[in-house]
Amino acid sequence: EDQVTQSPEALRLQEGESSSLNCSYTVSGLRGLFWYRQDPGKGPEFLFTLYSAGEEKEKERLKATLTKKESFLHITAPKPEDSATYLCAVSSGSARQLTFGSGTQLTVLP
Amino acid sequence: NAGVTQTPKFRVLKTGQSMTLLCAQDMNHEYMYWYRQDPGMGLRLIHYSVGEGTTAKGEVPDGYNVSRLKKQNFLLGLESAAPSQTSVYFCASSPETQSLHFGNGTRLTVT
Repeated sequence: EDQVTQSPEALRLQEGESSSLNCSYTVSGLRGLFWYRQDPGKGPEFLFTLYSAGEEKEKERLKATLTKKESFLHITAPKPEDSATYLCAVSSGSARQLTFGSGTQLTVLP
Repeated sequence: NAGVTQTPKFRVLKTGQSMTLLCAQDMNHEYMYWYRQDPGMGLRLIHYSVGEGTTAKGEVPDGYNVSRLKKQNFLLGLESAAPSQTSVYFCASSPETQSLHFGNGTRLTVT
């Protein structure tokens, strides 16, 4: 059974204070690891897909990295508009569905 | 381009009542999914469909039924609602098992 654990559950940063969110996973045969952003009252919005250890992807102030056991979402010089819940998910083997972590709620204070 | 549209946005039911949640997508995606989201539990898959006329059980299917009669629509039914089904329900679609496109959810309260 696939398992995804995200930490911390909540993170408060000052504007400009860089940090990282962690997603550790246990799967049998990773097909892909996904990061989503979710704003209050909205559905998750796709950010990145990572497929293999060592892969990195960037989008504006966000950078996602992947190892064989975990993924990090690095946030560089965050702004208040980066405040959201960030979700990590994995797909594995022949599974046609994603297993999600419970998310990290990020608050960036001005 | 609307993407994934869920109706209704909010609903309050009494225990034992039934209802159907509607999900419509206009992206011609083959795959469609129903998730529920509860505090501290993350998104959990209820049922999914890999194409018109097909459905399959996810992680938490009990108490729910689904139908996919048309490619663009995926219906989630609750035959006899229970307070444990109070949750936010999200529908999603994808062209494959990646990059899910989510709707904005239905907030259901069962009293």
